[in-house]
Amino acid sequence: QKEVEQNSGPLSVPEGAIASLNCTYSDRGSQSFFWYRQYSGKSPELIMSIYSNGDKEDGRFTAQLNKASQYVSLLIRDSQPSDSATYLCAVIYFGNEKLTFGTGTRLTIIP
Amino acid sequence: GAVVSQHPSWVICKSGTSVKIECRSLDFQATTMFWYRQFPKQSLMLMATSNEGSKATYEQGVEKDKFLINHASLTLSTLTVTSAHPEDSSFYICSARGRTPYSSTDTQYFGPGTRLTVL
Repeated sequence: QKEVEQNSGPLSVPEGAIASLNCTYSDRGSQSFFWYRQYSGKSPELIMSIYSNGDKEDGRFTAQLNKASQYVSLLIRDSQPSDSATYLCAVIYFGNEKLTFGTGTRLTIIP
Repeated sequence: GAVVSQHPSWVICKSGTSVKIECRSLDFQATTMFWYRQFPKQSLMLMATSNEGSKATYEQGVEKDKFLINHASLTLSTLTVTSAHPEDSSFYICSARGRTPYSSTDTQYFGPGTRLTVL
């Protein structure tokens, strides 16, 4: 069974610091990788997508993909209290149109 | 990012009645739409996948006769919960995938969700 694993947390980070979220996946046939943010009681919101090895930066967010090691990470620089949420890692496997989600990491930014 | 709307945002109904939830992709054509359900403090659970003009594909354990999905156009999908019971109370979230003005590849965006309470 194809799996996506995340540390459920909670992960607590001081305001202004870098928050690092990690995700591993089981199938080397994975082709597309996504990070979603979900606030309590709300639906997921797309933060980043990444398709090739290396880093992809968007504002305070950087996604890192390492296909050889089968992990994808999300770095949040200058963390703000508004970044407190559950972060979901999601993967699309080759030949499958469905997102496979991890269980999510709950992040708390401490003022 | 792209916009997916859902209506209603919340609904309360009596046991035994049916509830219809609409999902629309507002600024792109969705080749595929997905319906999820999420119970409190749990992960998203995919219920079904639908392509425009085709029958929906349901995940194992999801009753297709209870959760009717219609994907009438590239921008509209509906989920009807038939003969709702209290155990159907949940947060229902649709998601649409397609080529948007914001991405060079197909991307999946979520609607804001519909909170269903069955009394």
